[in-house]
Amino acid sequence: DGGITQSPKYLFRKEGQNVTLSCEQNLNHDAMYWYRQDPGQGLRLIYYSQIVNDFQKGDIAEGYSVSREKKESFPLTVTSAQKNPTAFYLCASSITGDHSNQPQHFGDGTRLSIL
Amino acid sequence: SQKIEQNSEALNIQEGKTATLTCNYTNYSPAYLQWYRQDPGRGPVFLLLIRENEKEKRKERLKVTFDTTLKQSLFHITASQPADSATYLCAVNAGNMLTFGGGTRLMVKP
Repeated sequence: DGGITQSPKYLFRKEGQNVTLSCEQNLNHDAMYWYRQDPGQGLRLIYYSQIVNDFQKGDIAEGYSVSREKKESFPLTVTSAQKNPTAFYLCASSITGDHSNQPQHFGDGTRLSIL
Repeated sequence: SQKIEQNSEALNIQEGKTATLTCNYTNYSPAYLQWYRQDPGRGPVFLLLIRENEKEKRKERLKVTFDTTLKQSLFHITASQPADSATYLCAVNAGNMLTFGGGTRLMVKP
């Protein structure tokens, strides 16, 4: 089955540590996204990538970094500079980079907590 | 500032009734509006997309309206079932990006 796989499902970070969240898709989609979801709030865009080897900051990119070396993969690193990293992180993809008029397909998220 | 507002209080309805969820937006002029369903601990799942020149769109028991004058979309589920219980998110395009509302939780009781 085609889809988006996020791993791990749960992740714990110690203070001062960087952690990397994995996102893999086999939908052959060009565009990929990372969102953060906090309780009772909408999804907020962290980074997006319209094509391999290219990515742009979203609304809340500070303290995060990404790479897009392969079409299928868009890992997100939560750095120690992110002071409030506890959240539910969602990865998504769409067929092309015109984000607004296309459905986005989401993974099942990674829940990150601070120890 | 730009805002998308969905009722943060849960909507409780009886099985078989029609559920109506509201999405209001301010300081946007979206060309598209999308609705998603999200179950606890899962990612959102796309349901429907409606364009600004479409007043209404249907898919099985789902109906979405888009009123650009009122800056509002209504999402209806007819003959609701307990399996429809979930959080429903609306999203509008801001430029070429999607911006999501906070969602409304729907509880359908048997």
